[in-house]
Amino acid sequence: GAGVSQSPSNKVTEKGKDVELRCDPISGHTALYWYRQSLGQGLEFLIYFQGNSAPDKSGLPSDRFSAERTGGSVSTLTIQRTQQEDSAVYLCASSFRASYTEAFFGQGTRLTVV
Amino acid sequence: AQRVTQPEKLLSVFKGAPVELKCNYSYSGSPELFWYVQYSRQRLQLLLRHISRESIKGFTADLNKGETSFHLKKPFAQEEDSAMYYCALYNTDKLIFGTGTRLQVFP
Repeated sequence: GAGVSQSPSNKVTEKGKDVELRCDPISGHTALYWYRQSLGQGLEFLIYFQGNSAPDKSGLPSDRFSAERTGGSVSTLTIQRTQQEDSAVYLCASSFRASYTEAFFGQGTRLTVV
Repeated sequence: AQRVTQPEKLLSVFKGAPVELKCNYSYSGSPELFWYVQYSRQRLQLLLRHISRESIKGFTADLNKGETSFHLKKPFAQEEDSAMYYCALYNTDKLIFGTGTRLQVFP
């Protein structure tokens, strides 16, 4: 595709359920980022992938959050036992490589936990 | 710890007025800094990066290492500049964003 694609666009889930958020980066981009965007909180860094490896997972808020990337392409962010405070817009971005290059963002997944 | 601070949540100006969106950072090495913008119902996108020393849509930003600042400036604001602006710092393996400043330009 022409840009970073995220699915679903919107997700409403019940508290306690697991959710999976998907990110399709731009072809050839080796760096992939996940962020959480909450009102008044700006962009909270969650995790970064270089290829399939994640050098820094320290941004994940709790052990309920996990992410993986396969084939250096698609990434999945999984939230287990969702809580209401997980409600936010989850953004994915990719770049050709880290540093000095432009990060291209997806449209985001709006997660609502009820 | 590396950090990006945008002290203003909201900045409101009239069309034609000068604009300065503040950004301060803390970083021990040589910083790589960016400004990203998110217009209403659009994706977050790169506005400019300090290494390029460019002017985009009339906006400029100068890195001041002494003051650890990277403020975004425009001499004459336009209504279409109304958006959310994020300052970002690249650190080794992640892009760190500030909390953002919403710019409102009134006619």
